[in-house]
Amino acid sequence: QSVVSQPASASGTPGQRVIISCSGSSSNIGDNFVYWYQHLPGMSPKLLIFRNSQRPSGVPDRFSGSKSGTSASLAISGLRSEDEAEYFCAAWDGRLSGPVFGGGTKLIVL
Amino acid sequence: QVQLQQSGPRLVTSSDTLSLTCTVSGYSISSGYYWGWVRQPPGRGLEWIASITDSGKTYYNPSLRGRVTISADTSKNQFSLKVDSVTAADTAVYYCARHGSGWTGGQLDVWGQGTMVTVSS
Repeated sequence: QSVVSQPASASGTPGQRVIISCSGSSSNIGDNFVYWYQHLPGMSPKLLIFRNSQRPSGVPDRFSGSKSGTSASLAISGLRSEDEAEYFCAAWDGRLSGPVFGGGTKLIVL
Repeated sequence: QVQLQQSGPRLVTSSDTLSLTCTVSGYSISSGYYWGWVRQPPGRGLEWIASITDSGKTYYNPSLRGRVTISADTSKNQFSLKVDSVTAADTAVYYCARHGSGWTGGQLDVWGQGTMVTVSS
């Protein structure tokens, strides 16, 4: 069981907007920045959002992040078939002195 | 460009020691950042295992403490992971990664290619 919670799955049709949530605690999300990753099968995770809402160069503006208190969310608008992947959130945990991860949300594009 | 290249056996016998090495190119591990190991068991989420800082300080996930050792060889610009007394529960894809600490601790900006390690009886 992960320290940070995410829904196991989410789905949407092409063009729709999907939101994936991430819920933690004061020792992790509440006190630190949240990061989002896209994980495709057989690949290493790719950083999608850093410092709650910033996008690395090359990440489309269809991806956006936000944080409030001990929760965060990733929104994907204009859903495309290539967005089908696992998405997980991460944050530093001050009690562990290490990063913690959400359990991952498998996004299905119908 | 910073790159992490993992090496180590993909098959380990139950009760033996799992050993993996991550060789870093394009950046000196003694110059900054934390250098860590993360794993993902089949069908489950990512789990942080351990990290070592640029100055050699180590941090371990309490759930694995006592069985895990992380170390670094600055002369080879490598860091390594050992997991003792492995069981089937240690079967997972293991990744090495560079990350920050505190506010930036969740930013794992460079990853190794991943190694699927299977523990067999």
